[in-house]
Amino acid sequence: RKEVEQDPGPFNVPEGATVAFNCTYSNSASQSFFWYRQDCRKEPKLLMSVYSSGNEDGRFTAQLNRASQYISLLIRDSKLSDSATYLCVVTLGGFKTIFGAGTRLFVKA
Amino acid sequence: GAVVSQHPSRVICKSGTSVKIECRSLDFQATTMFWYRQFPKKSLMLMATSNEGSKATYEQGVEKDKFLINHASLTLSTLTVTSAHPEDSSFYICSAGDRVAKNIQYFGAGTRLSVL
Repeated sequence: RKEVEQDPGPFNVPEGATVAFNCTYSNSASQSFFWYRQDCRKEPKLLMSVYSSGNEDGRFTAQLNRASQYISLLIRDSKLSDSATYLCVVTLGGFKTIFGAGTRLFVKA
Repeated sequence: GAVVSQHPSRVICKSGTSVKIECRSLDFQATTMFWYRQFPKKSLMLMATSNEGSKATYEQGVEKDKFLINHASLTLSTLTVTSAHPEDSSFYICSAGDRVAKNIQYFGAGTRLSVL
């Protein structure tokens, strides 16, 4: 079983749609959780941290469920510019970091 | 603005040559930097962890004599691909860890290496 698993997609959605991604992690000792965004041929960029209490930033909402060991990312009112690969990232303490393989999102006009 | 600078962004070289890639943290001191490799449509693969003032820690399967890492200061780590071959062609990305910011990693823009 992979340490961090994501549905690779692709998710093809129209502009304005709401789309949700899930990610599961296997190590219950995982400490910090993040969503990164990576555009084609570019470096990953931090989108948001994920907390048990939830985290919202504009159209983006991230949730963490420690009991079930999954995190989620919800994008509302999708824009064309949201098209990218979304990486689920988990740290195990210190800088030990595990990246998911990413979920590809295509938002179409 | 960028907090991690990676240079060069693109390298095309002949087989057998060595290529050096630099990674600099701009806004904070990074005692730990990371080097990743990424193949098309694949996840980031950690190659090694670079610790300031000490030897790098390489992941299993990564040849330390092939990929030389130096972290001589708190803001600079370098990766040298020695005697590059076509199979070394890839996207190499560095990151710097910010302990103050709860271990968030900030990434350089990446270096696309093409070995002919």
